[in-house]
Amino acid sequence: QKEVEQNSGPLSVPEGAIASLNCTYSDRGSQSFFWYRQYSGKSPELIMSIYSNGDKEDGRFTAQLNKASQYVSLLIRDSQPSDSATYLCAVIKRAAGIKLTFGGGTRVLVKP
Amino acid sequence: KAGVTQTPRYLIKTRGQQVTLSCSPISGHRSVSWYQQTPGQGLQFLFEYFSETQRNKGNFPGRFSGRQFSNSRSEMNVSTLELGDSALYLCASSLGRQEEIFGQGTRLTVV
Repeated sequence: QKEVEQNSGPLSVPEGAIASLNCTYSDRGSQSFFWYRQYSGKSPELIMSIYSNGDKEDGRFTAQLNKASQYVSLLIRDSQPSDSATYLCAVIKRAAGIKLTFGGGTRVLVKP
Repeated sequence: KAGVTQTPRYLIKTRGQQVTLSCSPISGHRSVSWYQQTPGQGLQFLFEYFSETQRNKGNFPGRFSGRQFSNSRSEMNVSTLELGDSALYLCASSLGRQEEIFGQGTRLTVV
C-alpha cells in the first residue's frame, strides 16, 4: 500500500463544473496536508494547506480533511481550462524524518 | 519577493560523472529541501537542511549528498551518475516545518 494514494486520472470536467479530487494516506500520525498544482514541464505550485479536520476555502478551491477516515480532498469550483494540470497531494508525517510525502497525482482536464 | 532560484535549469551529463546543483531559497527561509521527480517514482524526498545541518534524509544512496551555507543557499551533489538519475530535481524552501515553496527545478539528463 502506497503511503499517499491518488487516482491518476485523467479526471475530465466540463468548463464551469466542479472537479473533485481525493487523496488517502496510510499513516494515522500524519499532521499536515497540502495540495500542489503542477503544469506539464513546470514545478509544483502550492495551492492549499490544511491542518485540522473540516473544510478550508480559498477562492475557487476548497480542501476537506477527515483524519478519522484518513482522507483529504480538493474541490475546484467553476473549473476553467487553465485548471488543467496534475494535482499532487502531499502530507507531513509526525516525526518521520521526511518533509513531504507525495501521492502520484491526479491529472485534471477541463474541457471548454 | 524573489522566489526559490535553482541553477542551472538544464544539464546533460555522462554516466560516471558528478554534478552539483544550486538552490537559493526565499529570503528569510532557513529550511531547504531537495526532491527528485521521475515519471516512474513520482516526487521523492531527498534531504532537508536547516541552519547548515542536515535535518532529515530520504531513502537515497550515499551518492546523493548536499550542504547548506550560512546564507541558507544549498547545493546538492550526485556522484558517479547513473542513467536512472535522469530526473527533475526540485528545491523547496520553507520557514520551518510547514509549507514548502518550490523552485523551477533543474532537469538533469544522464547519457
